[in-house]
Amino acid sequence: AQSVTQLGSHVSVSEGALVLLRCNYSSSVPPYLFWYVQYPNQGLQLLLKYTTGATLVKGINGFEAEFKKSETSFHLTKPSAHMSDAAEYFCAVSDRSTLTFGKGTMLLVSP
Amino acid sequence: DVKVTQSSRYLVKRTGEKVFLECVQDMDHENMFWYRQDPGLGLRLIYFSYDVKMKEKGDIPEGYSVSREKKERFSLILESASTNQTSMYLCASSGSGTGRVRDGYTFGSGTRLTVV
Repeated sequence: AQSVTQLGSHVSVSEGALVLLRCNYSSSVPPYLFWYVQYPNQGLQLLLKYTTGATLVKGINGFEAEFKKSETSFHLTKPSAHMSDAAEYFCAVSDRSTLTFGKGTMLLVSP
Repeated sequence: DVKVTQSSRYLVKRTGEKVFLECVQDMDHENMFWYRQDPGLGLRLIYFSYDVKMKEKGDIPEGYSVSREKKERFSLILESASTNQTSMYLCASSGSGTGRVRDGYTFGSGTRLTVV
């Protein structure tokens, strides 16, 4: 069965600092992996995805993530946080016809 | 732009009422999904559908049913609303058919349901 673990329900950074949101997955087949962002009272928006090929994937708003098979990880990073990055972030895995989501990480950005 | 539209952003209903949450997509997607989102629990799959008149139970189907009479519309029904169904409900669609989800989902903006 597929599953996702996001380490840390809340992550706090200062504006301009590195953002690192952690995601580990479990999958019975080579996974497809996704990161979504949710701003308050909105639906989820796709940030980036990994299916096959290059293991470092770039997404919108300056985010990127690296698929590491040996570590079963797909951590999300951004070199320099902006205030507008404050939101909740969800990692998801697909090894079948649905997505399984992690419990989310709230990113807090302070001036 | 691809769009998934949920008919209500906020709903307040009384315990025991029958509640209908509507979702419409304009992308000709085969698959549609209903999730509920609760703090600390993330998104949990209630029901999904691969095609018209087809439905599959997700992880937490108890107390819910669904209807898909047309490809573009997927309704979630709370037969007798209870306070523990107070939540954010998210509808999504994808074009992956019965294969793996390759392109992700497109989500609606959500319906925040309060049952009093």
